[in-house]
Amino acid sequence: DAKTTQPNSMESNEEEPVHLPCNHSTISGTDYIHWYRQLPSQGPEYVIHGLTSNVNNRMASLAIAEDRKSSTLILHRATLRDAAVYYCILTAIFNKFYFGSGTKLNVKP
Amino acid sequence: GAVVSQHPSRVICKSGTSVKIECRSLDFQATTMFWYRQFPKQSLMLMATSNEGSKATYEQGVEKDKFLINHASLTLSTLTVTSAHPEDSSFYICSARIASVNIQYFGAGTRLSVL
Repeated sequence: DAKTTQPNSMESNEEEPVHLPCNHSTISGTDYIHWYRQLPSQGPEYVIHGLTSNVNNRMASLAIAEDRKSSTLILHRATLRDAAVYYCILTAIFNKFYFGSGTKLNVKP
Repeated sequence: GAVVSQHPSRVICKSGTSVKIECRSLDFQATTMFWYRQFPKQSLMLMATSNEGSKATYEQGVEKDKFLINHASLTLSTLTVTSAHPEDSSFYICSARIASVNIQYFGAGTRLSVL
């Protein structure tokens, strides 16, 4: 599976939008882009995933670059409960997940 | 989202004993489940893939005789840490996959402390 690069940490103010970037320049045509987040002492939680087109759900939006070499997870209004480690994972369908180090998001009140 | 239950949430055991962790998909069937391990301040490390009705496949460097995996039904996988030692102390997390969309749903994790 292709490698992803994410910033180690980011900070946001409560009720403001947050854009979490992920670079994946070696992505292959069959790789899906998945985002999960993990709160302290809990298992990861599914956030969103996509292949080529931008995706929206109740939790977040996923913006995928036209060349697919990068993507951005968008939290439209950050809350204190969004403070977590966010993981960007590439995987072809039916393949395993390999987690990178993720981005630790801190949300300030 | 789908629910995965993991039990127990925390276990403390003596060195040399075996510990069994259960992972159940509560509202869907999962032919494939996964086991991960996470040390403090580190990311999740995939240990093995649990396949219903067949042997688990282990990642490189993971001892299959130490970490026994059984996937007896479409909703249950178990991980047994045999002859646990202090270095096995870690946060163990399972997941179950919905194959049609390749989304994994994770349990809440089991914190194992070996004294």
